Amino acid sequence: EVQVVESGGGLIQPGGSLRLSCVASGFTVRSNYMSWVRQAPGKGLEWVSVIYSGGGTYYADSVKGRFTISRDNSKNTVYLQMNSLRAEDTAMYYCARHINQWYFDYWGQGTLVIVSS
Amino acid sequence: EIVLTQSPGTLSLSPGERATLSCRASQSVSSNYLAWYQQKPGQAPRLLIYGASSRATGIPDRFSGSGSGTDFTLTISRLEPEDFAVYYCQQYGYSSPWTFGQGTKVEIK
Repeated sequence: EVQVVESGGGLIQPGGSLRLSCVASGFTVRSNYMSWVRQAPGKGLEWVSVIYSGGGTYYADSVKGRFTISRDNSKNTVYLQMNSLRAEDTAMYYCARHINQWYFDYWGQGTLVIVSS
Repeated sequence: EIVLTQSPGTLSLSPGERATLSCRASQSVSSNYLAWYQQKPGQAPRLLIYGASSRATGIPDRFSGSGSGTDFTLTISRLEPEDFAVYYCQQYGYSSPWTFGQGTKVEIK
């Protein structure tokens, strides 16, 4: 069964750092595009970052230079290192597998990040 | 960047009625790159339609997608109680990858 499970969220002060993890099962992350998508409370969905099957990465302008996506193939896990966090980064962060590069077919249940003093 | 605008913001309907949701793009979108998702409270989004009109695995045939260019539609032929949720369209574009519309809430009238 295909599954992704996120962890690592929590309450963090502005300017702080967090690392989110996304553990996959039922498929290998190195063979798929994997993205992080976030949703601020009561708001819509915003794509954040992708790691391609070939290892390349890409970021939304809103997080470029502050967030870093990576993966550990041996652990079948994708990470999102978030630095210099701001209040506007407060959101539920979902890990999602891509299908056909263009869409997201499997999503985790999300991990909540709250940036507040 | 391609902006997706969904309408209406909220759709109030009764079970059994037909729902028609609109997604308009600021620039032409390839039909191959347009998808629809359903999200229920406290849950992750679920892929319903991809390629503008193809149903994802396990999606009932009361859900259908259509459209091309800048205008796309999600239709739910007869609303079931479990269909009341928020629906998002999403596009992929080389210059603005993976953007979502702001969502349409389908609520019980």
